[in-house]
Formats: sequence, C-alpha cells, structure tokens
Amino acid sequence: EAQVTQNPRYLITVTGKKLTVTCSQNMNHEYMSWYRQDPGLGLRQIYYSMNVEVTDKGDVPEGYKVSRKEKRNFPLILESPSPNQTSLYFCASSSTLVSEQYFGPGTRLTVT
Amino acid sequence: AQTVTQSQPEMSVQEAETVTLSCTYDTSESDYYLFWYKQPPSRQMILVIRQEAYKQQNATENRFSVNFQKAAKSFSLKISDSQLGDAAMYFCAGTLIPGSQGNLIFGKGTKLSVKP
Repeated sequence: EAQVTQNPRYLITVTGKKLTVTCSQNMNHEYMSWYRQDPGLGLRQIYYSMNVEVTDKGDVPEGYKVSRKEKRNFPLILESPSPNQTSLYFCASSSTLVSEQYFGPGTRLTVT
Repeated sequence: AQTVTQSQPEMSVQEAETVTLSCTYDTSESDYYLFWYKQPPSRQMILVIRQEAYKQQNATENRFSVNFQKAAKSFSLKISDSQLGDAAMYFCAGTLIPGSQGNLIFGKGTKLSVKP
C-alpha cells in the first residue's frame, strides 16, 4: 500500500529536549515536505526536499532542521523545542514538485 | 508577497445542494499550480482537485469543479449534490513563489458543514 508514515503520532516533551519526528514514504517520490498546522493559520511549510541531499527552507524554518540522506526518509529535527512549536505536523511526498502530495497522518507535538 | 486568501472561515450547505468556496491568491508567476485539499475530522489531507495555470479549461472531478479566473487570481471550488461526507475543512493552496515551486502556500481554510 502506497503511504507516508510518521512517527510518533503523539509526543509530549519539555522545552529544550531534542527530538526527531520521522517520515518515510514507499512510493519512490523525489519530493518531500514538512508542514505545521495551527488553528486559524492553515498549513505552513517548514522545509522541503527535491531529492537526496537537496533541501530548502519553506515559510517557517526557524527552530527546525531536516536531512535527506535517503530518498524514502525525511526526518524533522527540533534541536531545542520551545512551547511555540506546539503544533500538528504533517509530512508529505509527491513524484514531482507540482503533482499531488500524499500526506502522512500527522504528528501532534506538545512542548511544555 | 505570495498569499492565498480564503475569505469564508465557515460555510454551511444543505445535503444535495450546491456550495461554492472562495479562494483568491497573489503571485507574480505566470505558470503555477493550484490545489484544493480536504481535511476531514480524521485530519488526513486529501487532494480534491488540481488546476494548472496555463490551462484555461476549468478542472473537474466528479461532483467537484473549479472556477479558475487567472486575471482575477481567483480559484473557487464548487461542490455539487453535497453529501454528508463532504463536511470537512477545505484548504486552497498554490505553488506561487517565483523560482521556488517546491514551496506550497496554503490558505487558512474554510470549514464546511453539511446539513441533512
């Protein structure tokens, strides 16, 4: 089954404790992206990657890091999480920049 | 600045009726893509319909169609014969940033309720 998986689905952590949210796709897609969704703000893109070792900033990259060492994986790293990073996070992938994006199920992150 | 505006935070429609969700955008690009995504209570993001800016013909997908007005930078979604399962948040989005098509800009969403 074609899918994008994210782990964990729910995470509660404390300020400053480094964390990683994993994202994996099994569709051999070149393009992957991370978004955060906040009430009243819609989805905002954090980072995207057009291929292995090629990443670029989206609208709200501050406080986040990503890496693309393998085509299927695109982890999101929060080196020192803060409460304003409490949000719902989505990973997505697509075969090209402009084709349909397949979204993961979302990760609900709470930083206290 | 590249923006996507959905001016209707909430909409309501009677089952079997037709509803139109509005979306306007701003870009200096001439070639771009526009999308409507649906997010039901499960939070899963689902692509509803896609429009390529260089195509004048409006996209349609079964009960879903768009009214794409490039000059006016308008991209509305029409849902015909509304069903209870259409109740969801709907997001308009586009690849609007010059030289950075990987950056997808979303609107803030419209919450659609369907009354039986």
